Amino acid sequence: EADIYQTPRYLVIGTGKKITLECSQTMGHDKMYWYQQDPGMELHLIHYSYGVNSTEKGDLSSESTVSRIRTEHFPLTLESARPSHTSQYLCATSAGTGELFFGEGSRLTVL
Amino acid sequence: GQNIDQPTEMTATEGAIVQINCTYQTSGFNGLFWYQQHAGEAPTFLSYNVLDGLEEKGRFSSFLSRSKGYSYLLLKELQMKDSASYLCAVRDQDYQLIWGAGTKLIIKP
Repeated sequence: EADIYQTPRYLVIGTGKKITLECSQTMGHDKMYWYQQDPGMELHLIHYSYGVNSTEKGDLSSESTVSRIRTEHFPLTLESARPSHTSQYLCATSAGTGELFFGEGSRLTVL
Repeated sequence: GQNIDQPTEMTATEGAIVQINCTYQTSGFNGLFWYQQHAGEAPTFLSYNVLDGLEEKGRFSSFLSRSKGYSYLLLKELQMKDSASYLCAVRDQDYQLIWGAGTKLIIKP
């Protein structure tokens, strides 16, 4: 049974739509991350959080926002989706040791 | 700039041994990680090195030389299920992870 849940797993939407990718965890970890990964490419950090009401921007943050109101929940929002946002989005948590635990990912296609 | 270099793809035979290299140039160093990622799935943690030397964990071992900016992942007794991408990641001076693009390992019978 997964300890990190991402929804939706797959999403196809039109340009200009607002979307929210959900990430929830039952591991009790303070640190949470959002990564973007294209096939055969490295992971790029979008946003991260070290605890409730704490959020920081990564390398690819300019077109998205996050919130961390509860420890368990770290949603990612794209205000206006574009075809360049087509990618896989991975949510991860960490207990502080450095090891990351990933969710199964949300695969987004923007037409 | 910071970068991680790994071979794009490697092929090996079932039952054999393969070594996947990773070289890095980062602003500071606070540990190196190896992750395994099967196609269409999320990465899973394999190993962590922060001091020079070899860390062994079953069929997998990871080596680090900080002075050379170099690591390798050694996979022994290869099995078909080891076909996956292997990601090298370095934690820099700000404790942020810098990721390589991964090495796709193809195992042939």
